[in-house]
Order: sequence, then structure tokens, then C-alpha cells
Amino acid sequence: DGGITQSPKYLFRKEGQNVTLSCEQNLNHDAMYWYRQDPGQGLRLIYYSQIVNDFQKGDIAEGYSVSREKKESFPLTVTSAQKNPTAFYLCASTLSDRGYRDEQFFGPGTRLTVL
Amino acid sequence: AQSVAQPEDQVNVAEGNPLTVKCTYSVSGNPYLFWYVQYPNRGLQFLLKYITGDNLVKGSYGFEAEFNKSQTSFHLKKPSALVSDSALYFCAVRDPLTGANNLFFGTGTRLTVIP
Repeated sequence: DGGITQSPKYLFRKEGQNVTLSCEQNLNHDAMYWYRQDPGQGLRLIYYSQIVNDFQKGDIAEGYSVSREKKESFPLTVTSAQKNPTAFYLCASTLSDRGYRDEQFFGPGTRLTVL
Repeated sequence: AQSVAQPEDQVNVAEGNPLTVKCTYSVSGNPYLFWYVQYPNRGLQFLLKYITGDNLVKGSYGFEAEFNKSQTSFHLKKPSALVSDSALYFCAVRDPLTGANNLFFGTGTRLTVIP
């Protein structure tokens, strides 16, 4: 089955710790995205990557970092600089960064809770 | 700037009745519009999209949406609601004039279908 996997499903972090959320896709998609979902606020874009070894900040990139060393993988690190990291994190992908007609495919999400 | 508004946080409908979930948008060019559904603690699932052509778009699970350019709306509809349609629904827009492949999401509408 082709799709997007995110791990772990649930993640607990102590304040001051960095954590990394995994996102892997086997759809052969070029573009990948990270969103943050908070109740009543919809989805907000954190980072996106149009191609390997390249990525751009989204609307709320502060306190987050990403890498794109492989086409299939786009991990997100939530750093201690992120003031309010408790949220549901969603990874998505599209076939091409210029595929404006293409829908995004989403992973199942990771729920991060800061203790 | 592009934006999406979903004016209703909550929509309740009786099983078997028609349902409508409202969405209005604002973009500088011709919009590409999308509807997604989210079940609890899951990722988003694509329902349908409007790119060009017929204003009435049919999608998954019996859903359809009507693009109305003069009213800048893209309301989601279904002739007969099922209890299993109860979920969180997101409208999203992409403006190809921006040169970016990012989606801008509304804040979501929670649909409850009452047996």
C-alpha cells in the first residue's frame, strides 16, 4: 500500500527537550509539508519542502526545524524554543511542487504533549 | 492574500436529511478549492476539489460541492446524511498566482448527524 506514515502516534515531552517527529512516504512525491493543528484554528503550515535538500519556512516556523535528505523522508524537530508545542502534527505530500491541481495526501498524525 | 472562512463551527443535521457545510474564500486569482474530512485522531482525507469547468463537483462518499464565483463560495453538500458522516470538515484553497503549492485551510466545521 502506498501512503504516508508518521511515528510515533503519541509523544510526550518534558519542557526543555527537543523531539523529532518522523514522516515517511512511499508515493514518490516530490513535495512534503508539515502542519500543526490546534482546536478551533484549523491547520497552519510549519515548513514545506519542494525537493530533496531544500525546504522553506511556512507561517509558524519559529521553534521548529526540518531536514530533507531523502525524497521519502521529512522529519520535523520540535525544539525547546517552541513556546507552546502541545498540538496535533500532520505531515502531507503532493506529487509535484508545481502540481497546483493536485490534492495533498495526509499522514495519520502525531499528537505531541508537553508535560 | 488568500484566506478561507468556514462560518459555522458546528452543524447538526438529522440522519436522512440533506446537509450543507459552508465555505467562502478570498484569493487574488482563480481559486483551486478542496474539501477534506477528518475523523477523531486521524489525518485528513480528501473528498473533492474544484479546479475548472463544471461548477458542481462530485466527490467521495456521496458528497458534492458547488463553486459559486460571484459569491466566492464552495459549499459542501450531501442529499442524505448518514451517522457515519459525523466528523470535522475542512475547506482549503490554493491560489496558483502566488507561485506556491501551499494550501490555506479554514478553521473547520464539526458535523454531527443525529440518528
